[in-house]
Amino acid sequence: SQTIHQWPATLVQPVGSPLSLECTVEGTSNPNLYWYRQAAGRGLQLLFYSVGIGQISSEVPQNLSASRPQDRQFILSSKKLLLSDSGFYLCAWSEGQGANQPQHFGDGTRLSIL
Amino acid sequence: KNEVEQSPQNLTAQEGEFITINCSYSVGISALHWLQQHPGGGIVSLFMLSSGKKKHGRLIATINIQEKHSSLHITASHPRDSAVYICAVALWGSQGNLIFGKGTKLSVKP
Repeated sequence: SQTIHQWPATLVQPVGSPLSLECTVEGTSNPNLYWYRQAAGRGLQLLFYSVGIGQISSEVPQNLSASRPQDRQFILSSKKLLLSDSGFYLCAWSEGQGANQPQHFGDGTRLSIL
Repeated sequence: KNEVEQSPQNLTAQEGEFITINCSYSVGISALHWLQQHPGGGIVSLFMLSSGKKKHGRLIATINIQEKHSSLHITASHPRDSAVYICAVALWGSQGNLIFGKGTKLSVKP
């Protein structure tokens, strides 16, 4: 069966520090991968999606970047965190041709910037 | 105006009540998702539908494409149904990129 792993579960980082959140999927190949953010008191927002290795699309301009070095690995990064980067980050996957496919979510990472 | 609007924002019910959460959208979609987010933050996909009606246990989801409206119903509600219910739409022609409503916080009292 397919599983999605996202870590760490919680993270406290100082302003200006770098960030790396990792997400891996098992039990499927060539999935669509997504990074979402939920800021405090706000709804979920799509940050990045990827339809294949090295293919990254960004939905909103921001301080973050994403990479997909392997088929089932999706990484969210920042060189210098801002206070506004605080939030709950979720990784998700769906089968390729993902528009009409269910999305499966990781457990999320709660990021606090001090 | 948000592309996906949910109502109500908050809902308190007594155990056993029939619950309805509504979602309206203003864009062309290929599918609509209903998600459940528990207090810890984890999200579970409940339904994905592009027409008609789906049922799973005590949960029923309906969609009216012409009216751009969907409802999530919970029959015989239970305190364990307490969660935030989120409506999200996949834009037509997208790779499944979802646009989310702000969620409905449901609290079911025993």
